[in-house]
Amino acid sequence: EVQLVESGGGLVQPGGYLRLSCAASGFTFSSNTMSWVRQAPGKGLEWVSTITNGGSTYYTDSVKGRFTVSRDNSRNTLYLQMNSLRADDTAVYFCAKAGAESSFEYWGQGSLVTVSS
Amino acid sequence: EIVLTQSPATLSLSPGERATLSCRASQSISDYLGWYQQRPGQAPRLLIFDASNRATGIPARFSGSGSGTDFTLTISSLEPGDSAVYYCQQRTSWPLTFGGGTKVEI
Repeated sequence: EVQLVESGGGLVQPGGYLRLSCAASGFTFSSNTMSWVRQAPGKGLEWVSTITNGGSTYYTDSVKGRFTVSRDNSRNTLYLQMNSLRADDTAVYFCAKAGAESSFEYWGQGSLVTVSS
Repeated sequence: EIVLTQSPATLSLSPGERATLSCRASQSISDYLGWYQQRPGQAPRLLIFDASNRATGIPARFSGSGSGTDFTLTISSLEPGDSAVYYCQQRTSWPLTFGGGTKVEI
């Protein structure tokens, strides 16, 4: 059974930083493309970042230069380092595993990040 | 950036009725479109990939159609558990984008 468990969210002041983690199990992590998707309170879904099995990375424009996605295949874990956080980064952050013909086949339950003073 | 426009914003129907949800892309995306269901307080769930293929475990009453710029998700006979927000998403080009969602109320 595929499982994705996010952690690392919390309350942070504007300009601060956080690192989210996503522990994966139930599939061959190193062979799969992984992504982060966020959802601001009461809003829709927004793709944030993707890292391929080969290590290529992609970001939405609003986080370029501030967020870094990475993976540790030995630990089956996906990361999102978030720096220079802003109030509009407040959201639930989901990690997701890609399928052969889909961007987000499986999702974690999400981790809430609140940026506020 | 490819913009996906979903309509209607809200759909209020009764159990057993048919729901038809629309997703229109700002440019052709071939059939690289997925549909996701998000129930309140839950993570999204993949329903349909590549416009018309049901994901594992998705009931046959969910079906997708379309190609190019116009796509449809049909729920043939609504059940109370189908109350949710439904999102379309394209994977043709970066950035990956979602539609704004259609809320289905039953």
